[in-house]
Amino acid sequence: DIQMTQSPSSLSASVGDRVTITCRASQTISTYLNWYQQKPGKAPKLLIYAASSLQSGVPSRFSGSGSGTDFTLTISSLQPEDFATYYCQQSYTSPWTFGQGTKVEIK
Amino acid sequence: QVQLQESGPGLVKPSQTLSLTCTVSGGSISSGDYYWSWIRQHPGKGLEWIGYIYYSGSTYYNPSLKSRVTISVDTSENQFSLKLSSVTAADTAVYYCARRGDSIFDYWGQGTLVTVSS
Repeated sequence: DIQMTQSPSSLSASVGDRVTITCRASQTISTYLNWYQQKPGKAPKLLIYAASSLQSGVPSRFSGSGSGTDFTLTISSLQPEDFATYYCQQSYTSPWTFGQGTKVEIK
Repeated sequence: QVQLQESGPGLVKPSQTLSLTCTVSGGSISSGDYYWSWIRQHPGKGLEWIGYIYYSGSTYYNPSLKSRVTISVDTSENQFSLKLSSVTAADTAVYYCARRGDSIFDYWGQGTLVTVSS
């Protein structure tokens, strides 16, 4: 299985901050990498697919980059509604696997 | 707008079979463009893909669960189902159904907590 490792596991930030979350795959996955946002008690919501494509309806302050094994999710200016847990997921090969999550908390 | 809704018992006894159903509305399971998936999340933990099914009945399972998992589809009811046998406390989790299309899980149900306990 491809292991997905996110860093950090959690972070504290203020509204307006630029936030960067990293995801590393245990083997190359090209750009088959998706990002999801999950709020407490809710299902994950797709933010970014194919490493850098913004899902319809997702604010442009979210962006993704990377290829191969190293990927980044960036929130350019953190908003109150962005406090949540973020997961990366590889769609290169089955079984489809997720990172352990990064919890973004209010500083 | 596609919507998915899980249903089933919230409490299952150890060694028994967990059974859940996902009802799809706003779109047809038989459209042919999607795989209908089950994903679970252990309390306070990350996400684990269980498996999925195509409308034709073709199934794909996570090898870690394959020996205990059965996913089936009922196109007439626009539903698909999960059975997980011989459950233990380690199977306690929130179970989500989701639609997979073009390498992404784009629509999810709200999730249902299943607790394994005697």
